[in-house]
Amino acid sequence: SQQGEEDPQALSIQEGENATMNCSYKTSINNLQWYRQNSGRGLVHLILIRSNEREKHSGRLRVTLDTSKKSSSLLITASRAADTASYFCAPGDGGNQFYFGTGTSLTVIP
Amino acid sequence: DTEVTQTPKHLVMGMTNKKSLKCEQHMGHRAMYWYKQKAKKPPELMFVYSYEKLSINESVPSRFSPECPNSSLLNLHLHALQPEDSALYLCASSPDPGQGGEKLFFGSGTQLSVL
Repeated sequence: SQQGEEDPQALSIQEGENATMNCSYKTSINNLQWYRQNSGRGLVHLILIRSNEREKHSGRLRVTLDTSKKSSSLLITASRAADTASYFCAPGDGGNQFYFGTGTSLTVIP
Repeated sequence: DTEVTQTPKHLVMGMTNKKSLKCEQHMGHRAMYWYKQKAKKPPELMFVYSYEKLSINESVPSRFSPECPNSSLLNLHLHALQPEDSALYLCASSPDPGQGGEKLFFGSGTQLSVL
């Protein structure tokens, strides 16, 4: 199974600061996705980056992918209290199996 | 309609009970998933249905029995559960891979407590 591992496990920042979380994985991938989960709720898809892409932007989100290092990072700029959530990466091989990483718990302090 | 609907939202059951969790989507997605999530842990994949056929069973105990009656519905039948099965059960769907379908759409989950 293809599972990522995020770090840090927990991150606490002030509103307006940037938040960066990292994901490492072990085998070759077709794509890598990031999801957000608010407490006790379902996951929400944030962004997908394909293996032939190095960087992708969506609003305040910036994702990078380094396939040579088997790692990805998610940057949230100008964070808001509403960004408080857990963030999971999901490395994908293009098939129907999606395994989530260990997650980063982000707290944005107003 | 871009929603995945799960019912019930909360369920309390005894170890001898039989209950079912339900999941519904009307996005025309052909893959549907069950995940189990314990507190402060990532979701764990349990089952995947592709075109209404079970394609992946992650060695889940037989007290969990999935069913996909049609392309819009997914059930999880529960029988003789243990207290350690208490968790948030999440349903998800995705369009078939190969059509840009890798993105998962999640329901809000069923919080299950086994007494």
